[in-house]
Amino acid sequence: KAGVTQTPRYLIKTRGQQVTLSCSPISGHRSVSWYQQTPGQGLQFLFEYFSETQRNKGNFPGRFSGRQFSNSRSEMNVSTLELGDSALYLCASSPGNSHQPQHFGDGTRLSIL
Amino acid sequence: GIQVEQSPPDLILQEGANSTLRCNFSDSVNNLQWFHQNPWGQLINLFYIPSGTKQNGRLSATTVATERYSLLYISSSQTTDSGVYFCALTGTASKLTFGTGTRLQVTL
Repeated sequence: KAGVTQTPRYLIKTRGQQVTLSCSPISGHRSVSWYQQTPGQGLQFLFEYFSETQRNKGNFPGRFSGRQFSNSRSEMNVSTLELGDSALYLCASSPGNSHQPQHFGDGTRLSIL
Repeated sequence: GIQVEQSPPDLILQEGANSTLRCNFSDSVNNLQWFHQNPWGQLINLFYIPSGTKQNGRLSATTVATERYSLLYISSSQTTDSGVYFCALTGTASKLTFGTGTRLQVTL
């Protein structure tokens, strides 16, 4: 069974640009969650999508948005990039309820110049 | 929200030594997982352990949910065990709250 796939692995952008990251979950998993990891703030939850609907949301500004498609693949978009958005963005998938383990992709490392 | 504390923050071991990492949490949990993050940033699932004890090779974990803590044991450590170990858990919502991690360095 293929794992969680995130693309691209690395991205370099400049301030003010926007970026879209992609996540393909494990086959059969309906929940996709996104996390941001920075040296200063650690690993923080961004949002979770389940059956194409945002089910949970973390404490991030509206510049961070996402969506999920009918095949459970998810995209995350960050608009008007700031230097502080430089981070490792991790995606996790699970079947869908809070009792089940989440499985992570290898992440997208985003650098803002 | 749920608070998660991990200790110790840093640990240096010689190869072959044993260690215990601790995770304390503030509320009842539906899911507790231990992860190893390698130097390339990959989060590797070690254990899914909301309660009880599990073993996988040189690693084992125990969660005592009623007392709100979990322990990760590493025996006969190897240099490949180096990295950061995270405890993460969910309450009723499917969002993982991570601890700040234990950074482990295993030296020859």
